[in-house]
Amino acid sequence: DIVMTQTPLSLSVTPGQPASISCKSSQSLLHNDGKTYLHWYLQKPGQSPQLLIHEVSTRFSGVPDRFSGSGSGTDFTLKISRVEAEDVGVYYCMQSRQLPLTFGGGTKVEIK
Amino acid sequence: QVQLVQSGAEVRKPGSSVKVSCKTSGGTFNNFAFTWVRQAPGQGLEWMGGIVPFFYTPNYAQKFQGRLTITTDESTSTVYMELSSLRSGDTAVYYCARREGYNYHAFHIWGQGTLVTVSS
Repeated sequence: DIVMTQTPLSLSVTPGQPASISCKSSQSLLHNDGKTYLHWYLQKPGQSPQLLIHEVSTRFSGVPDRFSGSGSGTDFTLKISRVEAEDVGVYYCMQSRQLPLTFGGGTKVEIK
Repeated sequence: QVQLVQSGAEVRKPGSSVKVSCKTSGGTFNNFAFTWVRQAPGQGLEWMGGIVPFFYTPNYAQKFQGRLTITTDESTSTVYMELSSLRSGDTAVYYCARREGYNYHAFHIWGQGTLVTVSS
């Protein structure tokens, strides 16, 4: 199985300041089809997960442009350019390069 | 409106089984892939398995092989997840999710979750 490791475990951010979350995979997530299957989800308190970014850097419909994803191979980053109060929750990276799908342990983002 | 509606909370005794339903609306059922993810209290997300109705054959995480059965009913646009031989560690919120296409990449439509409590 591909192991996904996220850091940090938690993040306390002042509104308007940037935030960055790292996700590393135990194997390359580059598929034979040329795509890299690394996705980011946000689970707000008491809610189901919601898709933020798919295939490393493509924002899902309706996701604010303050969210951006980057990376390649085994190292990936989610950045929030200016954190807002509504961004609180737990962020998860997930790989779908191969089954079983696996998630990172999550990064809890809270507002200072 | 595109949505997934899951069945309500369940309480089961150790050793029993539970079957959770996930009814989808909007779109053509056989054009989707479905997956089940669970979340134990205070823990992260864990993939259990999935199914692409077009291909009929489900896929299961090794951890759940032999205990997990995912099925579909095209006539009601419903996907089912049945977990047997329940133990206390199976207490969790179970989510279904859906995406267009025949693979298990980014799922963007999620059900509201179903809490399954396993307790004697």
